[in-house]
Amino acid sequence: DGGITQSPKYLFRKEGQNVTLSCEQNLNHDAMYWYRQDPGQGLRLIYYSQIVNDFQKGDIAEGYSVSREKKESFPLTVTSAQKNPTAFYLCASSLPTSSGGSSYNEQFFGPGTRLTVL
Amino acid sequence: RKEVEQDPGPFNVPEGATVAFNCTYSNSASQSFFWYRQDCRKEPKLLMSVYSSGNEDGRFTAQLNRASQYISLLIRDSKLSDSATYLCVGFDPAGNNRKLIWGLGTSLAVNP
Repeated sequence: DGGITQSPKYLFRKEGQNVTLSCEQNLNHDAMYWYRQDPGQGLRLIYYSQIVNDFQKGDIAEGYSVSREKKESFPLTVTSAQKNPTAFYLCASSLPTSSGGSSYNEQFFGPGTRLTVL
Repeated sequence: RKEVEQDPGPFNVPEGATVAFNCTYSNSASQSFFWYRQDCRKEPKLLMSVYSSGNEDGRFTAQLNRASQYISLLIRDSKLSDSATYLCVGFDPAGNNRKLIWGLGTSLAVNP
């Protein structure tokens, strides 16, 4: 079955530690995204990648880092520089947005990782 | 002003009721809109894309009013399983940062 997997589902870390969240997709999508969701707030874009070996900062990239060495994988590292890391992290993928016009392809989401920093 | 605004609810309706959600957007350049559904502690899933002519999928109807810059979602004959948060989403076509703009969501509870 095609889809997006995120692991682990729940993650606990001590303050000051870096932690890497996994995101894998077998949908053959070029574009991948990381969002953060907090209670009472909408999804906020952390980083996105339209193609392998390229990625762009989203709205709240500070304290996070990513890599895109393979099409299927887009891991997110939450560094100790992130001041409020406890949140629900969602990874998504889509076919690439077209280079012209406004067409857009549906984003498919993974089940998410709940990170709690103690 | 947020780029995409929704009434957070909660909307509490009995089974079988018809319920409508509205969403307003501020970026007149946005050309694509979507409704996603998110169950408690789960990931969002696409419910409907919103086309300028409006579209219908079973009990769900989505409409776009560009003049007034709002999008609506109508749910007829609501079921208990419709209880969820409904997220209104716009697409920002500007520049190279092609991204979705998410509303905060409208919570729906369908009661027996």
